[in-house]
Amino acid sequence: EPEVTQTPSHQVTQMGQEVILRCVPISNHLYFYWYRQILGQKVEFLVSFYNNEISEKSEIFDDQFSVERPDGSNFTLKIRSTKLEDSAMYFCANRAGQGPDTQYFGPGTRLTVL
Amino acid sequence: AQSVAQPEDQVNVAEGNPLTVKCTYSVSGNPYLFWYVQYPNRGLQFLLKYITGDNLVKGSYGFEAEFNKSQTSFHLKKPSALVSDSALYFCAVRDNSNYQLIWGAGTKLIIKP
Repeated sequence: EPEVTQTPSHQVTQMGQEVILRCVPISNHLYFYWYRQILGQKVEFLVSFYNNEISEKSEIFDDQFSVERPDGSNFTLKIRSTKLEDSAMYFCANRAGQGPDTQYFGPGTRLTVL
Repeated sequence: AQSVAQPEDQVNVAEGNPLTVKCTYSVSGNPYLFWYVQYPNRGLQFLLKYITGDNLVKGSYGFEAEFNKSQTSFHLKKPSALVSDSALYFCAVRDNSNYQLIWGAGTKLIIKP
């Protein structure tokens, strides 16, 4: 099965600090997603990204969040000023193309904001 | 509004017995349905999907799911459970307007030896 990787596996930060979560997608998969899962709650969509721009974003994805592909391969999620409620597992997902293609998920980054 | 419901927070099954994890959905247009599994401290692993065609879909690790359009259900099944199947199972439906996945709350499956 194709593999998406994410770094770091666990990030601990102080409230108000910036964090960058990194994702290495599957080669030639063109669609990128970030989801988050607060402990004990359901998975929530954050943002989708295609052709170097945001396709869709949820109400969670406010001005504190941003995404980019800085080097054309890695896909990053930046949280500019973290809040306690940002503590969650963040999953990157990757899809090959149009249609109902499967989204493949990375192992996640556990973000803990203190 | 499009949604997914997993009515059971937890399902307990004895090893060797058949298991069913329930999922119902609400979506406009054709439903594209997915099951993912999450093992402790691991990411979401794709199990299977229904796009079109045969209502019985076979996936990884011996799992299968049955699409029932009239009941808007997509229940996950396995004929004989293993202790290693113990995990969190998520049903998802694709939003046909923007391709994002809409998730159920998850069902914890516990298989007892």
